[in-house]
Amino acid sequence: QVDLQESGPGLVKPSQTLSLTCTVSGGSINSGSYYWSWIRQPAGKGLEWIGRIYISGITNYNPSLKRRVTISVDTSKNQFSLKLTSVTAADTAVYYCAREVGVYNWFDPWGQGTPVTVSS
Amino acid sequence: DIQMTQSPSSVSASVGDRVTITCRASQDISIWLAWYQQKAGRAPKLLIYAASSVQSGVPSRFSGSGSGTDFTLTISSLQPEDFATYYCQQTNTFPRTFGQGTKLEI
Repeated sequence: QVDLQESGPGLVKPSQTLSLTCTVSGGSINSGSYYWSWIRQPAGKGLEWIGRIYISGITNYNPSLKRRVTISVDTSKNQFSLKLTSVTAADTAVYYCAREVGVYNWFDPWGQGTPVTVSS
Repeated sequence: DIQMTQSPSSVSASVGDRVTITCRASQDISIWLAWYQQKAGRAPKLLIYAASSVQSGVPSRFSGSGSGTDFTLTISSLQPEDFATYYCQQTNTFPRTFGQGTKLEI
């Protein structure tokens, strides 16, 4: 059973870069035709897809965030990462990593989520 | 972007009730739709994929239907553990987009 776990700083200053890592356990990030995704959720609000990466390095990003987002993968560590530059208070949210699966591209499983606050 | 609109935004129900949540896409997405359940403080959990396929381990009281632009999630007989927020998500195009959520309350 594959599990995902997010990690990274819980507090980031405005204008700085948010960096998070998702560690995949219980299976290889290389196995299967999966995409590895980041999704976020501001407190009390809905879900926003940030982007995804394939093990080859192919990425897709949400156009609303594309200028500021980089997703990368480190297969040797079974991890993938998110960098979001020039953060503001609007980037405060719980950040989830998830695996995108199957012909119809559903998200399963999800990590437990990590809260990130942007504040000075 | 494809907009996903859920209705109602919230619904009150009782244990044993049958509940239906609707999701409408702003354009045809065939059956490229998933449903998730999210409990407070927890990550979303996949319930339904490809509009009507129930994820392994999900109770049979959950079902999904629809294609094109109109979809429904039905819970046939509410159990106490079903009170949560439910989200639909289109999986057809980029960016992936979610409905605003439907909060199911006692």
